[in-house]
Amino acid sequence: DTEVTQTPKHLVMGMTNKKSLKCEQHMGHRAMYWYKQKAKKPPELMFVYSYEKLSINESVPSRFSPECPNSSLLNLHLHALQPEDSALYLCASSRGGGSDTQYFGPGTRLTVL
Amino acid sequence: DQQVKQNSPSLSVQEGRISILNCDYTNSMFDYFLWYKKYPAEGPTFLISISSIKDKNEDGRFTVFLNKSAKHLSLHIVPSQPGDSAVYFCAARKSPGNQFYFGTGTSLTVIP
Repeated sequence: DTEVTQTPKHLVMGMTNKKSLKCEQHMGHRAMYWYKQKAKKPPELMFVYSYEKLSINESVPSRFSPECPNSSLLNLHLHALQPEDSALYLCASSRGGGSDTQYFGPGTRLTVL
Repeated sequence: DQQVKQNSPSLSVQEGRISILNCDYTNSMFDYFLWYKKYPAEGPTFLISISSIKDKNEDGRFTVFLNKSAKHLSLHIVPSQPGDSAVYFCAARKSPGNQFYFGTGTSLTVIP
């Protein structure tokens, strides 16, 4: 099983709203990632959690707040977003370590009005 | 600075023929390379990978070639099928660490 699930599939929010994106994997992976992808662009790394600790933050604005409650779950809390934050948000996980392969979820399509 | 590049934004191939997708990278610290296939509004799906200690890896219709001296990898799909039509991303991992760098993608269209 190489499934990463993400909820919701679609999200529309206003600039004053607070919402959360959720990601789950049950592959025993110890690294989890958030990416942002705009149309016709490659996935852009936002955060990396390794063994439930934030290991990489690619200078992401504080209106995005990640959380890793346990080794299977990864959340992305959203607050006071801007219309330019509208994108496909992808979660991925990997074992961590050599010859590592990331497995992606289907993504959450976020629209900020 | 784009460390992984796919210089062909699009490629069209006849069904049954070979599709060759190319990827170049600049960082000699990359030690693991992957190809992903992506349909619109979906997450990338892992296709095939290769470690830097190898120069070829094959899985069914998909073969990845790595030329370390040229910092170049390619994905061969043979025979190409209409269901292969998608955007293909190459990715590279820098060791140590868990950072993966993605190319800009090549949109493959397989014409029936």
